[in-house]
Amino acid sequence: ETGVTQTPRHLVMGMTNKKSLKCEQHLGHNAMYWYKQSAKKPLELMFVYNFKEQTENNSVPSRFSPECPNSSHLFLHLHTLQPEDSALYLCASSPDKLAPNTIYFGEGSWLTVV
Amino acid sequence: AQSVAQPEDQVNVAEGNPLTVKCTYSVSGNPYLFWYVQYPNRGLQFLLKYITGDNLVKGSYGFEAEFNKSQTSFHLKKPSALVSDSALYFCVMRGQLTFGSGTQLTVLP
Repeated sequence: ETGVTQTPRHLVMGMTNKKSLKCEQHLGHNAMYWYKQSAKKPLELMFVYNFKEQTENNSVPSRFSPECPNSSHLFLHLHTLQPEDSALYLCASSPDKLAPNTIYFGEGSWLTVV
Repeated sequence: AQSVAQPEDQVNVAEGNPLTVKCTYSVSGNPYLFWYVQYPNRGLQFLLKYITGDNLVKGSYGFEAEFNKSQTSFHLKKPSALVSDSALYFCVMRGQLTFGSGTQLTVLP
């Protein structure tokens, strides 16, 4: 148990659906992250939030929309996804984005787009 | 520019043998280096880190890593591998939020 909780753990959605992934941490961390992990590919950093402000968006398509309402919660809203978006989506947090801190990961949400 | 490299995509070792997963780094200034592990179908877990001090860092699950400044390396080691150590291992540097492809360790029974 790392203190970062992701729900749902598994999600199957059609290409026209709208769904959301949720991430929650009660570690008192100020930085939160979304990563995408596809088979045979490096872990891809998608978004970074520091003190609730988005500080990085690594050219992620607009069909992925993050939301950080407070320092403890991070959402990834999904809309009109493609089959190639099927992957493990990992949420993570750290005390601060800038310091040499340990990053704590959730167990991930397995997304399948059909 | 700072970076780390894991030169091996795959490492196989027999159970009970020592294991090494290699990592080299490039940085100006002091490196802060981390090792993470990802077991199958799980998120990444922190194993150990080097900030300053003793070059030999001990971490979770019996792992350790040796910081070698002259060779710019931070190899992960374990004296006796277990089948349950089979996982994907990532070496990461401070401020680097990208994790690369990692090294897949397979411990054979």
